[in-house]
Amino acid sequence: DTGVSQDPRHKITKRGQNVTFRCDPISEHNRLYWYRQTLGQGPEFLTYFQNEAQLEKSRLLSDRFSAERPKGSFSTLEIQRTEQGDSAMYLCASSLQGEWDEQFFGPGTRLTVL
Amino acid sequence: GQNIDQPTEMTATEGAIVQINCTYQTSGFNGLFWYQQHAGEAPTFLSYNVLDGLEEKGRFSSFLSRSKGYSYLLLKELQMKDSASYLCASVDSNYQLIWGAGTKLIIKP
Repeated sequence: DTGVSQDPRHKITKRGQNVTFRCDPISEHNRLYWYRQTLGQGPEFLTYFQNEAQLEKSRLLSDRFSAERPKGSFSTLEIQRTEQGDSAMYLCASSLQGEWDEQFFGPGTRLTVL
Repeated sequence: GQNIDQPTEMTATEGAIVQINCTYQTSGFNGLFWYQQHAGEAPTFLSYNVLDGLEEKGRFSSFLSRSKGYSYLLLKELQMKDSASYLCASVDSNYQLIWGAGTKLIIKP
């Protein structure tokens, strides 16, 4: 399978716990994006990487959220001290920088905070 | 500010044609994407427009008017499997995608 993969697909956690999600992009793609999506809404941009550099981070993102892409390949998104409002689908997408870069999405990680 | 507007929900009949409109206001413009998203699944690419006019791809066509900040997605010969949300996303001056909330399309037999 050469598409974008995400792990885990589902995560249930108690409020206050930390969670970490992983995204493996399409191998030749140098751009990687994290989005959050709630029911009935479009994807909400969280952050993006070009290679290993984190180039932009949403101002909506609290300091409980952190993302890394240490070797410019896979990425992790960590949420510390989870809150019920963090319950959402977390989507990862990758693209190849070019004239226009179609973003290919992974299946997402559905987070439920109890 | 940046804003993408599209209808929340539309209903159409199998075999018919439906047009889903999208208006956008973004800081800079580097094109507009349409994505399809079935319930519980990730969005998948449908089309990209950066120049004015109509791009046709099988049963799906997408139109762009940059001067009006307007796009539409036209779906012909609707099939039940077309029931999904259709997301409009504008590419801003930083090449970031600004997403609309999506239009839920319901197809009835």
